[in-house]
Amino acid sequence: TQLLEQSPQFLSIQEGENLTVYCNSSSVFSSLQWYRQEPGEGPVLLVTVVTGGEVKKLKRLTFQFGDARKDSSLHITAAQPGDTGLYLCAGFQGGSEKLVFGKGTKLTVNP
Amino acid sequence: DSGVTQTPKHLITATGQRVTLRCSPRSGDLSVYWYQQSLDQGLQFLIQYYNGEERAKGNILERFSAQQFPDLHSELNLSSLELGDSALYFCASSPTGRGAHEQYFGPGTRLTVT
Repeated sequence: TQLLEQSPQFLSIQEGENLTVYCNSSSVFSSLQWYRQEPGEGPVLLVTVVTGGEVKKLKRLTFQFGDARKDSSLHITAAQPGDTGLYLCAGFQGGSEKLVFGKGTKLTVNP
Repeated sequence: DSGVTQTPKHLITATGQRVTLRCSPRSGDLSVYWYQQSLDQGLQFLIQYYNGEERAKGNILERFSAQQFPDLHSELNLSSLELGDSALYFCASSPTGRGAHEQYFGPGTRLTVT
């Protein structure tokens, strides 16, 4: 059983469209992180959310941490081909130092 | 470029063999983490070292072992290789070993076991 469930698994959209991807769990996380990974490269951290209900914006990307700290979402406005990649959510549970990853959402933005 | 280097980039070997993957962390980072990424399991944490000592263990098989040397580089040893060990292996580093901190990932080593 995957501790962090990401949906959808695959998403293919046209340039200019908006999209939201989700990261859900039945467990509480002390913090959640979102990473973006391109083919042949390692994941790159986009954001860390720590407080329940927290919203963070990074240009056209908006990240939200659920009030109960069990889920998170990533919303992209006016997607561009450069946004193409695998989006991974990851979290630390309680005092654990182990980072748990979801399986990711593979996003393709077509020009 | 994250500043984390991994060698080799690609490795093809046969079942039953042993390989060593190498990782150099970012300058100044004391923690090194190893992950395995496969299509069906996603990115799985294997093991963490902090300043030469093992700090946390994940789903690491007994056939796998790791160490961190005094110069802080780390090696992941995989032995008695099986077809199912074929995966991307990532190393990440961070300045500290505790808390919700950023981990900087290397480019990975793609291991193919035939």
